[in-house]
Amino acid sequence: DAGITQSPRHKVTETGTPVTLRCHQTENHRYMYWYRQDPGHGLRLIHYSYGVKDTDKGEVSDGYSVSRSKTEDFLLTLESATSSQTSVYFCAARGQTEAFFGQGTRLTVV
Amino acid sequence: DQQVKQNSPSLSVQEGRISILNCDYTNSMFDYFLWYKKYPAEGPTFLISISSIKDKNEDGRFTVFLNKSAKHLSLHFVPSQPGDSAVYFCAARGNTGNQFYFGTGTSLTVIP
Repeated sequence: DAGITQSPRHKVTETGTPVTLRCHQTENHRYMYWYRQDPGHGLRLIHYSYGVKDTDKGEVSDGYSVSRSKTEDFLLTLESATSSQTSVYFCAARGQTEAFFGQGTRLTVV
Repeated sequence: DQQVKQNSPSLSVQEGRISILNCDYTNSMFDYFLWYKKYPAEGPTFLISISSIKDKNEDGRFTVFLNKSAKHLSLHFVPSQPGDSAVYFCAARGNTGNQFYFGTGTSLTVIP
């Protein structure tokens, strides 16, 4: 377990507002990830980070940005939330082989 | 294009019997394959992995088989228990180690 904590766990926001989701890890893992889970799509990678200030895009990065100013924190920002970004968001960190996940954030954009 | 595919969205199995979950992939450069279990309102939890240089790995009740020529892997566990009812995700790790690619999941129901 990589000691991954996501906040908030639930959020409802209005279309057009900015939203930031936070991921915190306690195990000093280099790689961190943001995924979204949607019915019929499984888990899709939004962005990932391979170190402080080092990030790269995943397959569904449009409309999202990330920042990693400290090893332990990885932030996901929706610059202007849209209804299509209603989803469950998971943060993960990579151990030796596998990824460990947080408990998820359920985001609803109304 | 989906690089990891789970073609069975759902599966039912009788308690005590064997559960077999299947997964196909397209990229021969993946270096590890993994299985995760997910309960509602929780994050996925890691179950078992296998290196691309092996064809079988066992951990307790769980066994994963890898058939590289067919680009197919499967997760077997027995006996199935009601607590095993969950969504199971297959995943593959790119050979640079940077990314994990997930299937769409199989929802397993173990019938008492």
